[in-house]
Amino acid sequence: AQSVTQPDIHITVSEGASLELRCNYSYGATPYLFWYVQSPGQGLQLLLKYFSGDTLVQGIKGFEAEFKRSQSSFNLRKPSVHWSDAAEYFCALSGGSYIPTFGRGTSLIVHP
Amino acid sequence: ETGVTQTPRHLVMGMTNKKSLKCEQHLGHNAMYWYKQSAKKPLELMFVYNFKEQTENNSVPSRFSPECPNSSHLFLHLHTLQPEDSALYLCASSQGDRDNEQFFGPGTRLTVL
Repeated sequence: AQSVTQPDIHITVSEGASLELRCNYSYGATPYLFWYVQSPGQGLQLLLKYFSGDTLVQGIKGFEAEFKRSQSSFNLRKPSVHWSDAAEYFCALSGGSYIPTFGRGTSLIVHP
Repeated sequence: ETGVTQTPRHLVMGMTNKKSLKCEQHLGHNAMYWYKQSAKKPLELMFVYNFKEQTENNSVPSRFSPECPNSSHLFLHLHTLQPEDSALYLCASSQGDRDNEQFFGPGTRLTVL
């Protein structure tokens, strides 16, 4: 069985502050991991993905994520948040199947 | 047009109506998906098609009926829905491999009165 946990339902940060969104997974082998972003009224868009190799992956819009096997985590980071980053963020895992398992999502609120 | 498109973007229907949601992908993908996204609930996978064959049906009520006539088109036929079916319905497509991400349409916002 595989699962994805996003412990934080909501995260509030000030514009210009750094951001870290947490994602923990459960899977018996090396997973394929993804982060997606969903702006209000829109579908999900891929930010970045990890398969193998370098554990720090760069994505679009200045986001990066680090895969830590020992902690079963794949946290998303951004050094300086912009108001336009306010959105819902989803972590997803593909294990033994091409059908991914999604976390519940974390809603990011950005204060001016 | 590129990517994944969904029509209509908004739909209001009564409980006795019959309507259909349409999804089209222009990416050459072989897998297509329907998801339901309700407020304060996780993303729910409803149906999956791979090479036009249904491979997943997550205990979805029969008032939702999918159709996949070819790898580029996916429909969700709706009839006698309930108010709790009001949600954002998202369509996605992918190449059908573990390392391939999904591409999502903008969704259809459905309201059942």
